[in-house]
Amino acid sequence: LAKTTQPVSMDSYEGQEVNITCSHNNIATNDYITWYQQFPSQGPRFIIQGYKTKVTNEVASLFIPADRKSSTLSLPRVSLSDTAVYYCLVGAMNTGFQKLVFGTGTRLLVSP
Amino acid sequence: GAGVSQSPRYKVAKRGQDVALRCDPISGHVSLFWYQQALGQGPEFLTYFQNEAQLDKSGLPSDRFFAERPEGSVSTLKIQRTQQEDSAVYLCASSLAGQETQYFGPGTRLLVL
Repeated sequence: LAKTTQPVSMDSYEGQEVNITCSHNNIATNDYITWYQQFPSQGPRFIIQGYKTKVTNEVASLFIPADRKSSTLSLPRVSLSDTAVYYCLVGAMNTGFQKLVFGTGTRLLVSP
Repeated sequence: GAGVSQSPRYKVAKRGQDVALRCDPISGHVSLFWYQQALGQGPEFLTYFQNEAQLDKSGLPSDRFFAERPEGSVSTLKIQRTQQEDSAVYLCASSLAGQETQYFGPGTRLLVL
């Protein structure tokens, strides 16, 4: 499974757009890119998943360049409640089941 | 509908005790996963069930760890002769099928003294 690298922490203010970039230089052809969010004392929560180009849902956008060696999670107009740890994962979808491999994640702190 | 639930939420055990952690997955979810999360780290895969069959247990750290899902719904993770290094949050997740989005429970925080 591909290894990912993301910043340990980021700070932002309410109302700003936050972009968290993840590097995955060894991503394989069959790998998808998935982001999870985790609040203290809770399990991770799925945010968004993509394979290439751009994916958008009601929560976030995911930008993936053509070489797929990195990806950027974009959170528009963050609020205090977006303070959490964000995990970038890569893994194949055709191996029977997803054995999610989490790194240490990015701790996002949103201040007033 | 109800999400994944886990019990107990907190468990304190003396070293050497056996513990059992329960997971109630979302109704109808075929796949069930257990993860271990140490303080300040991301979750790490322990084991995977498809219905009652345990298809992957490669992440279980030792033979003191045992998981079962006898009727294909509720699952129990058992740790025998607990050690201090077993202290962690144990997360359960379920999904409709193995490759679908995993929904996590709140976890059981285990502290071994």
